[in-house]
Amino acid sequence: EAGVAQSPRYKIIEKRQSVAFWCNPISGHATLYWYQQILGQGPKLLIQFQNNGVVDDSQLPKDRFSAERLKGVDSTLKIQPAKLEDSAVYLCASSLGRQEQYFGPGTRLTVT
Amino acid sequence: RKEVEQDPGPFNVPEGATVAFNCTYSNSASQSFFWYRQDCRKEPKLLMSVYSSGNEDGRFTAQLNRASQYISLLIRDSKLSDSATYLCVVNPLRGFKTIFGAGTRLFVKA
Repeated sequence: EAGVAQSPRYKIIEKRQSVAFWCNPISGHATLYWYQQILGQGPKLLIQFQNNGVVDDSQLPKDRFSAERLKGVDSTLKIQPAKLEDSAVYLCASSLGRQEQYFGPGTRLTVT
Repeated sequence: RKEVEQDPGPFNVPEGATVAFNCTYSNSASQSFFWYRQDCRKEPKLLMSVYSSGNEDGRFTAQLNRASQYISLLIRDSKLSDSATYLCVVNPLRGFKTIFGAGTRLFVKA
């Protein structure tokens, strides 16, 4: 069974630039999550989708972050404009309902 | 008070030792609980779910105390390969927002 795919794996941008991350969940997983993990901290949920719909985005900085999940499969997370404090690993995970979450390898973002 | 709190450690133990981690949560309506393991620069992976009656998987034992609102993870006969960060995860009864603790770092030394 193929795992959660994410791209790119690494990204370096300057502050005020924009960046987009892509995630392809495990086939059949209706629930998709985006997390931000800052070094030394646990993952922080940014947004959770159930199929096409947003279940929770209470911790998503909506003035600069946006996410979409078209056709209930792939998802993209965008940051525009980026700030220095956005440097982190962005993890995508998927699950069947509220069971075990399977994580992708993450995208390591550095904002300079 | 944080919604999920863990002792950040690090815990430094010799091989063969028994070590225990606790994780406290603030939302009494929390329903499901998990322990994840995260190796350095890798993604988190499920170690085990935590059931009300407690559960064991080889050298690992997880327990839930709803009255005191904490979960625990016990590792017996520690191996070098157990060195990692252990994250506790809480799912609330209502709503779907999953909350991760900050993690407890474990170093097992020869």
